Amino acid sequence: DQQVKQNSPSLSVQEGRISILNCDYTNSMFDYFLWYKKYPAEGPTFLISISSIKDKNEDGRFTVFLNKSAKHLSLHIVPSQPGDSAVYFCACKTQGGSEKLVFGKGTKLTVNP
Amino acid sequence: NAGVTQTPKFQVLKTGQSMTLQCAQDMNHNSMYWYRQDPGMGLRLIYYSASEGTTDKGEVPDGYNVSRLKKQNFLLGLESAAPSQTSVYFCASTRGGGQPQHFGDGTRLSIL
Repeated sequence: DQQVKQNSPSLSVQEGRISILNCDYTNSMFDYFLWYKKYPAEGPTFLISISSIKDKNEDGRFTVFLNKSAKHLSLHIVPSQPGDSAVYFCACKTQGGSEKLVFGKGTKLTVNP
Repeated sequence: NAGVTQTPKFQVLKTGQSMTLQCAQDMNHNSMYWYRQDPGMGLRLIYYSASEGTTDKGEVPDGYNVSRLKKQNFLLGLESAAPSQTSVYFCASTRGGGQPQHFGDGTRLSIL
């Protein structure tokens, strides 16, 4: 059973507008959440993260929101740029121990000029 | 900084052949991981190593073995390759303590 779900396989937005990528998780033991960005033929690169003690974390154009009661997180990109076109993976873990990540299936974002 | 380096980048095998995928990191990270990514799927953990000399199974370990004899290297072995193991394999490492994992660029493996 999938512990981390990204229900939208793809998303298309216009340059300059907001991109919102969503992620749901089922395991209440997860307490740290990350977003990775992946371009074709490259490995995933870390984008932004949030601890369960916060509900928002911002880094430039990227903001991650966490709703623990709903077991839901989202990534907002404002304003979206064509270079943001990539696959975005949500990943969750339990802090400490092995630091194992559980990934969603990814959402392919296309930002149109 | 090289970061995480995976070799080879591409490989084609015949069913039943064996091979070893290599991963090296130059960041002095304690933990290392092997994932596979299949079309329409996220990354699934095959094996991980929390420290030099220790390894543990992940979500999909069957058909694979690993070795972490040196802190900077994590090897993934396929004993008898099967077509179901056709995939893109990613290695990652982290210092731990909440720091994110850093990934290599992957090994694209096809098994005929």
